[in-house]
Amino acid sequence: KQEVTQIPAALSVPEGENLVLNCSFTDSAIYNLQWFRQDPGKGLTSLLLIQSSQREQTSGRLNASLDKSSGRSTLYIAASQPGDSATYLCAVTGANNLFFGTGTRLTVIP
Amino acid sequence: DAGVIQSPRHEVTEMGQEVTLRCKPISGHNSLFWYRQTMMRGLELLIYFNNNVPIDDSGMPEDRFSAKMPNASFSTLKIQPSEPRDSAVYFCASSSSGGREAFFGQGTRLTVV
Repeated sequence: KQEVTQIPAALSVPEGENLVLNCSFTDSAIYNLQWFRQDPGKGLTSLLLIQSSQREQTSGRLNASLDKSSGRSTLYIAASQPGDSATYLCAVTGANNLFFGTGTRLTVIP
Repeated sequence: DAGVIQSPRHEVTEMGQEVTLRCKPISGHNSLFWYRQTMMRGLELLIYFNNNVPIDDSGMPEDRFSAKMPNASFSTLKIQPSEPRDSAVYFCASSSSGGREAFFGQGTRLTVV
């Protein structure tokens, strides 16, 4: 069964710093990998989708990479802002499921 | 499109009562997922539909839970009878097909007292 791990579980950084969130998965037979953001009491917002054939995707200050062979993905956030504070979840997609990690809770301190 | 729409947003019910959660997927999407989120267990897949047909219901915790998708634009998740341990946030998600980008609703926060 696919297992997804996210490290660290929580991260606090001062505003303006660049940061990296990590995601690892055990089964490289994936369709794609998706990064989500979840604010407290809210739903999941899709940030980036990387197809299994791709190496990276960029959206604004966010850059996600994928190394399928090693079972790893990173989410890079440039010039962090207090509004980036949220829980970030990665999910790897099989045919019938999205397998989620437990998330990284990010706090950006003004 | 308004995105995935779930109702109600909040539900408080007494133990033993029937609870029905509703989901309207994004128009044109033919895959629909029901997830449950708790602090202890994170996000757990309950059931997956493709073209209105249940494909994988292995995550449904027990017979008290049932889900239907009578048409492409509507799905329900029913709990009967409800128990306090069912308290969680229930999310519905849809995608254009299995393995594609998934979009989540805002969730239904269920409290069973």
